[in-house]
Amino acid sequence: AQKITQTQPGMFVQEKEAVTLDCTYDTSDQSYGLFWYKQPSSGEMIFLIYQGSYDEQNATEGRYSLNFQKARKSANLVISASQLGDSAMYFCAMREGRAGGSYIPTFGSGTSLIVHP
Amino acid sequence: EPEVTQTPSHQVTQMGQEVILRCVPISNHLYFYWYRQILGQKVEFLVSFYNNEISEKSEIFDDQFSVERPDGSNFTLKIRSTKLEDSAMYFCANRGGNPNEKLFFGSGTQLSVL
Repeated sequence: AQKITQTQPGMFVQEKEAVTLDCTYDTSDQSYGLFWYKQPSSGEMIFLIYQGSYDEQNATEGRYSLNFQKARKSANLVISASQLGDSAMYFCAMREGRAGGSYIPTFGSGTSLIVHP
Repeated sequence: EPEVTQTPSHQVTQMGQEVILRCVPISNHLYFYWYRQILGQKVEFLVSFYNNEISEKSEIFDDQFSVERPDGSNFTLKIRSTKLEDSAMYFCANRGGNPNEKLFFGSGTQLSVL
């Protein structure tokens, strides 16, 4: 079974508009963490934002915020005021509690975001 | 910000040849991972390394793969007999002791098997 599901293979947004990238997850752990990474065409993986399962507030980092709905097991990324440089692949990832503490993050299939001028 | 360094950035090899991918992790990190990404697809876990030994490996990480820490600091991922389907971007990643901490990724090695 998929642990992380990103149902939007591609998204388009107008510059300066906000966009939401969807992520749902599946875990039976009580303690887990959710990450979002950006991968521009150059290929590197850039960390954007983290949300812990026990965090009461939704995480925010500049123009990025995470809409965390625990009961729905969703952790959507919201990018406000999109910029042309936001065009990239976006990956949602989850780490679960594991015996031995390896906490291996597993990744979704990604969403390709294109920002139009 | 501290960086993870991977070499080479690109590697082209013939099918059946051995390749060694190298990673210089962040010095005080404890947990180390190798991932791979076939072009345009998801980032797949290969193996994790902690306390100088493999802690977990995926189904992808079969007998043709090995990971070592030859000098106690740098890491290598070796593919003994490459196959066409091994063509992918290989990422080294590491983090400190806190499981909530982000992974620091290297810039990747693009492996092309011909």
